[in-house]
Order: sequence, then C-alpha cells, then structure tokens
Amino acid sequence: DVVLTQTPPTLSATIGQSVSISCRSSQSLLHSNGNTYLHWLLQRPGQSPQLLIYLVSRLESGVPNRFSGSGSGTDFTLKISGVEAEDLGVYYCVQGTHAPNTFGAGTKLELK
Amino acid sequence: QVQLQQSGAELVKPGSSVKISCKASGYTFTSYDMHWIKQQPGNGLEWIGWIYPGNGNTKYNQKFSGKATLTADKSSSTAYMQLSSLTSEDSAVYFCARVGRGFDYWGQGVMVTVSS
Repeated sequence: DVVLTQTPPTLSATIGQSVSISCRSSQSLLHSNGNTYLHWLLQRPGQSPQLLIYLVSRLESGVPNRFSGSGSGTDFTLKISGVEAEDLGVYYCVQGTHAPNTFGAGTKLELK
Repeated sequence: QVQLQQSGAELVKPGSSVKISCKASGYTFTSYDMHWIKQQPGNGLEWIGWIYPGNGNTKYNQKFSGKATLTADKSSSTAYMQLSSLTSEDSAVYFCARVGRGFDYWGQGVMVTVSS
C-alpha cells in the first residue's frame, strides 16, 4: 500500500501566519491517465472531514483562496496564507491513484 | 444540495453484526462511487472500500475483506455497509463519502460501539 507521510504532525500558528504542510508518498501518484489523485481534507473538532483541495492544486468550491496546493510525483504541499481561527483542526492528505486509497496520519493545526 | 445522511449510533455486542446506512440526495446516486472510511477514537482515517451504485461493483481494502460488505439500493438512493463478527477493534466512527472531485461530500458519521 502507498504510505503518505505528513509533516509536521503538529503545527502551532498565530492568526495571520502562513504555514505549510508536507505530504510525501512512497510511490509516484501520477496515474497512467495523466491525473494525480492527491487531495487535502480538513477535519474540524467534532466534524466530518471536508474537501479543501483536489487533484493536487484545485480549490474546492467555497473554500477560501488562502488555501493552496502544489506538488507532483511524490512530494506535495498544502499552504495556508494567513491562518484564521476557523482553520484549526486536523489536515489530511489522501491518495486515490493506487488501490487501496490511503490517508496521511494527519497534521494538527493549533493556535499558538 | 448534495447531502449524505447516515443512520444513528449503534451499541452492539461482540460477535454480532451491524448494518449502517447512508442516504444520498441532491445528485444522481448511480453516477458516483460511494466510499466508506473508518476513524477510531483519536486516530486518523482508514479507507474501507467503495461501491459504484450504478452497477453494484465494489472494491475493498484487503484489511476489511470479510469484515465489511458494501451494498446499495438504487430505489432509495441509499448505500449500506454491514460489519460482521464485531470486536472491540471495530468500535469507531464510520463515514460514507462521495467521490466526485476527490472525497467531496461526507456523511456526518456513525459511531459504532462494540461492548458486552
């Protein structure tokens, strides 16, 4: 199975600070059809996960544009340009290129 | 708007089975895969499998093969997951999630507690 390694496991930030989360895959996530099925989710406390970014860099509808995704192959990054209080929670990367789908272990974003 | 409404919390005995549901609305149920994901208390997310309601095709994480059975009822736009031979390791929140643009819509989750 593909292993997704997220770093850091915990991130402390102040409001307005820009932060990045890394997701590294044990295999290339480039599918033979040309798509890279790497997505980012946010799970706020007590809630279901929600989609932020799909296919590496595409912003889900309704998600603020302070969120951005980048990367290719095995290295991917989620950036938050100016953290807001509502951004607190656990961020997960997930891949759908190789069966079975796998999730990263998560990065918990806390207020400093 | 797209909604996935899951059934209520379950308290079940070890060795028994449980069937939880995920009722979809706001989109064409038969056109999108429905995935199921497990989250144990304080832990991350684990993919169980998917079903394509259009033709009933399924794919499972090998870890859950024999544990989970996925079905779908097109007439009611409802996906089901049955978990069998339950142990304390199956105590978790179980989510259904549609995959369109990635995992774009999620149910609210069902807490399953296995206890005698």
